[in-house]
Amino acid sequence: AQSVAQPEDQVNVAEGNPLTVKCTYSVSGNPYLFWYVQYPNRGLQFLLKYITGDNLVKGSYGFEAEFNKSQTSFHLKKPSALVSDSALYFCAVRAHNYGQNFVFGPGTRLSVLP
Amino acid sequence: EAGVTQSPTHLIKTRGQQATLRCSPISGHTSVYWYQQALGLGLQFLLWYDEGEERNRGNFPPRFSGRQFPNYSSELNVNALELEDSALYLCASSLRGEGANVLTFGAGSRLTVL
Repeated sequence: AQSVAQPEDQVNVAEGNPLTVKCTYSVSGNPYLFWYVQYPNRGLQFLLKYITGDNLVKGSYGFEAEFNKSQTSFHLKKPSALVSDSALYFCAVRAHNYGQNFVFGPGTRLSVLP
Repeated sequence: EAGVTQSPTHLIKTRGQQATLRCSPISGHTSVYWYQQALGLGLQFLLWYDEGEERNRGNFPPRFSGRQFPNYSSELNVNALELEDSALYLCASSLRGEGANVLTFGAGSRLTVL
C-alpha cells in the first residue's frame, strides 16, 4: 500500500528566509512523487514532480524538491520565502505500476510572515 | 484552453437526500479522479475513471458512485447523504492514467449536508 506523511501540520517562516516542507513516503517499487499547492477556496495546483534521474527537481515559483531514496523523502524547498507563498502544500506519491492511483499526504500549512 | 470545470460550485442538501456533482476534464484528458477534502482530513481518494471504466476505488461506502461518459466528463453521485459527507469534492483530470502524468484539478464543489 502507498502512503505519504507530512510530519508538520504548520510551518512558519519569515519572509526572505529559506523554507522547507517535509514529506516522506512509502510505496512498493519506484515512486513518482509530486508537490501541489492549494490557495484558499481553490483547487490544487501542480508545483513539481520527480520521475527519475536527477534527485533535485526544480518547479514553479522558485520551488525545488530533493528526492532521497534511502530516507524515502521528498522535501520541498525554496531559498527565499515570499508572503504570497502562504498556502496549503500537499505531497503525493504514485507507484509505477498501472492501476495505482495518486495518494496525497495530509497537507502542511505554510505561513510566511512579513 | 479551458481547465477542469466542476459544477455546481456549492450545493446544500439535507440528510438522506442525493447529490450529483459534475466534472468536465481538460480537452484530450481521458482520466478523471475524484477526491474528498473534508476539514482537517486532507485529500481522500474516491474514484478513478479512465477511458470510460472505473479503474480504482477508495475506501468509501457503495453510496458513493460515479460514471464517466463517452466525452470523458464524469459524474459523482452520493446517495443517502450523511452529515459527515459535508466536504469539498475535487475532480482532477490527466492524460491516460499511467505513470507520471500530472493531475489538473478543478476548483471543487462544496457540499453541505444539513
